[in-house]
Amino acid sequence: GNSVTQMEGPVTLSEEAFLTINCTYTATGYPSLFWYVQYPGEGLQLLLKATKADDKGSNKGFEATYRKETTSFHLEKGSVQVSDSAVYFCALRPIQGAQKLVFGQGTRLTINP
Amino acid sequence: GAVVSQHPSWVICKSGTSVKIECRSLDFQATTMFWYRQFPKQSLMLMATSNEGSKATYEQGVEKDKFLINHASLTLSTLTVTSAHPEDSSFYICSANRPLAGVDEQFFGPGTRLTVL
Repeated sequence: GNSVTQMEGPVTLSEEAFLTINCTYTATGYPSLFWYVQYPGEGLQLLLKATKADDKGSNKGFEATYRKETTSFHLEKGSVQVSDSAVYFCALRPIQGAQKLVFGQGTRLTINP
Repeated sequence: GAVVSQHPSWVICKSGTSVKIECRSLDFQATTMFWYRQFPKQSLMLMATSNEGSKATYEQGVEKDKFLINHASLTLSTLTVTSAHPEDSSFYICSANRPLAGVDEQFFGPGTRLTVL
């Protein structure tokens, strides 16, 4: 079946540190991959996405590369800020054109000043 | 970006009562909405897909008679938890698919925390 596994949180970093949140997936075929972010008290927001192998999604300084060979989509940011504190969800969409999303368990990130 | 609201944001009810949760797309029309359930420290689990003007499609293992979904307009879907019990306590999140934004973009509500005593 389709599944997404994220690194367990919570993750706590100091401001300006380098961030990596690991995400691996299991899926048949070639899914689209997503990172969503949920700030306190708000709904999930799409952070970035990649629809095919070797694609790199990027937004707000965050990046993730679709690695088919390792079935991974790790989220990275070179220098985090306090405002990046949130819960991050990795997700996949199994079939092109389908609307269903399969989520990882979420990783809570806290950035200290 | 597109905005999706949920009401109420939290609710406490007695065992055996029914609770209705509303999901509204505020600035766009959504032919398809989704209902998710999230347990503490766990992933969002899709419960059902709600299509305007037709019956909802439930995921395997989700009781249709327990979780009633109505999508009567292009901006409103409701989830009613019938005869709620403590094991139904959870965080319920809806999302709405916005056609103009492309097939694969869903906009999420902030969630509703249900506690059944």
